[in-house]
Amino acid sequence: KQEVTQIPAALSVPEGENLVLNCSFTDSAIYNLQWFRQDPGKGLTSLLLIQSSQREQTSGRLNASLDKSSGRSTLYIAASQPGDSATYLCAVRWNTGKLIFGQGTTLQVKP
Amino acid sequence: EPEVTQTPSHQVTQMGQEVILRCVPISNHLYFYWYRQILGQKVEFLVSFYNNEISEKSEIFDDQFSVERPDGSNFTLKIRSTKLEDSAMYFCASSISTGNTIYFGEGSWLTVV
Repeated sequence: KQEVTQIPAALSVPEGENLVLNCSFTDSAIYNLQWFRQDPGKGLTSLLLIQSSQREQTSGRLNASLDKSSGRSTLYIAASQPGDSATYLCAVRWNTGKLIFGQGTTLQVKP
Repeated sequence: EPEVTQTPSHQVTQMGQEVILRCVPISNHLYFYWYRQILGQKVEFLVSFYNNEISEKSEIFDDQFSVERPDGSNFTLKIRSTKLEDSAMYFCASSISTGNTIYFGEGSWLTVV
């Protein structure tokens, strides 16, 4: 069964810290992987998309990596800020058009 | 920046009533999706739509659900006879192709009482 898991479920860090969010998936034959941000009660904002042929993608302070063989992706956030506080979702697309989501990691960055 | 828009943002309905959730996908996108998120749970896929027909649907998307693209801009999700367990945030999404970024709307909160 194709599943996506994110650990930890919650993370609290002081402002300025660099941090890594983890995503793991069963079945390494993915098509692509997308990271999203979700603020409470709000929609999903796409952060980064990594195709299966890519190893990483960068956008500003965010860097996402992909290791298909081990079934893992990480989202690295540099110099975290209180405004980064949100839930971060990892979603994987396999051989169909749909995304399968992890349960998310809720990040709190303390001033 | 173009965005997916959804209406209503929040709807309360009585059990057994029909509900229509509306979405305007990004204008040059060809693939359309509905997902839902029950409070505290994962975001779940419901249905994908391409070329005026359903391309894939999940087990959740039973006969009570239907989708339609009535004109060149709107994409709707209809729930024929709502149940308490249909209470969730419903997200519309769109993409140019299956290999590109999927963009989500702000969601429609549906509360069935």
